[in-house]
Amino acid sequence: ETGVTQSPTHLIKTRGQQVTLRCSSQSGHNTVSWYQQALGQGPQFIFQYYREEENGRGNFPPRFSGLQFPNYSSELNVNALELDDSALYLCASSSTYNEQFFGPGTRLTVL
Amino acid sequence: AQSVAQPEDQVNVAEGNPLTVKCTYSVSGNPYLFWYVQYPNRGLQFLLKYITGDNLVKGSYGFEAEFNKSQTSFHLKKPSALVSDSALYFCAAGGNTGFQKLVFGTGTRLLVSP
Repeated sequence: ETGVTQSPTHLIKTRGQQVTLRCSSQSGHNTVSWYQQALGQGPQFIFQYYREEENGRGNFPPRFSGLQFPNYSSELNVNALELDDSALYLCASSSTYNEQFFGPGTRLTVL
Repeated sequence: AQSVAQPEDQVNVAEGNPLTVKCTYSVSGNPYLFWYVQYPNRGLQFLLKYITGDNLVKGSYGFEAEFNKSQTSFHLKKPSALVSDSALYFCAAGGNTGFQKLVFGTGTRLLVSP
């Protein structure tokens, strides 16, 4: 098991609602990346935060936003939820120029 | 644009036999390549990486991977498969930015039969 934790484990929302997912990075890691894994697919990069600044973004609309806090934990916020947002959301932490370690994920279901 | 291909949706192997899970990549610059494993209802677990150096990379749980620059491949291998190796395996690549954005393949399900 990695030291990366995510909350909540599962979440059910309805279309149009907003959701916040949380991630605590592994001790000593200053970088957090978020990925979306749809059913039967590989993870897709959403964005990465390094020392509280966004450090790269994938092909996701602006209603996907994030934050990183001074303790390097992070939040992923999704506004105006759509059915296609249903997925496993994975957080990964890393130290500079090292591999990413993933948390267990949050499964989001949008009805 | 970077891309990773895993041509096999599923690989079946008998316990004790060698296994290979295939991966090819397309990245700009020097490739940074990774293998992760995912068990049901779990996150991704890091197995191994190639950055530079020896083309044969050894990782966790007896897995290894062979980097082949001319074939742009990074196949995952294990000399003797275990039933407990049954899981979903993902190959991932980072390009010039190395460890920033990872691009993942679609995954290969490994099924090891007793």
